[in-house]
Amino acid sequence: GQNIDQPTEMTATEGAIVQINCTYQTSGFNGLFWYQQHAGEAPTFLSYNVLDGLEEKGRFSSFLSRSKGYSYLLLKELQMKDSASYLCAVRDVGGSYIPTFGRGTSLIVHP
Amino acid sequence: DTGVSQDPRHKITKRGQNVTFRCDPISEHNRLYWYRQTLGQGPEFLTYFQNEAQLEKSRLLSDRFSAERPKGSFSTLEIQRTEQGDSAMYLCASSPQTEYEQYFGPGTRLTVT
Repeated sequence: GQNIDQPTEMTATEGAIVQINCTYQTSGFNGLFWYQQHAGEAPTFLSYNVLDGLEEKGRFSSFLSRSKGYSYLLLKELQMKDSASYLCAVRDVGGSYIPTFGRGTSLIVHP
Repeated sequence: DTGVSQDPRHKITKRGQNVTFRCDPISEHNRLYWYRQTLGQGPEFLTYFQNEAQLEKSRLLSDRFSAERPKGSFSTLEIQRTEQGDSAMYLCASSPQTEYEQYFGPGTRLTVT
């Protein structure tokens, strides 16, 4: 099974940088995802990490340390539209490729 | 292609009634997933299809839930004898064989009164 932990809520100021952490425990590891979900909408894919290190994509970056069971999502130059829930999901080894999602971190960006 | 679509978007039903939801995945995607999401939680896996074969089903899925994907294209999720605890957003996602990213539909919000 898998256990995924991320903070419930975070607040930040427009223009600032925020780091959302995710820790996980899994019997086998085959990739970690970050999804963004605005209220009442479907999750949309942000990033995928399977090897250690930092993956940068525009204002968003995602980091993975497999030995520590740890990832973070870094959002730079925050905008009001970044207010959303950020879901960390981990995929176990095996053939089904089905990720298990954490509860999500609700990010509130204020002016 | 306009992405994954789900129908209906909202459903209100009385306890004990049966409901059926439909998901149309992106046309070339052979993998299809159903999830359930309640307020403040992440999506919870229900079941998974590869083409028309249902390959995995969550142990949390009671026998009141059944899903089909008869021709390997659209899928239906039926809930029989609905209970208030079934109230949730039901999300469908699809992915191609060669990619890890899941593409989610807009969801069907079920309210059981």
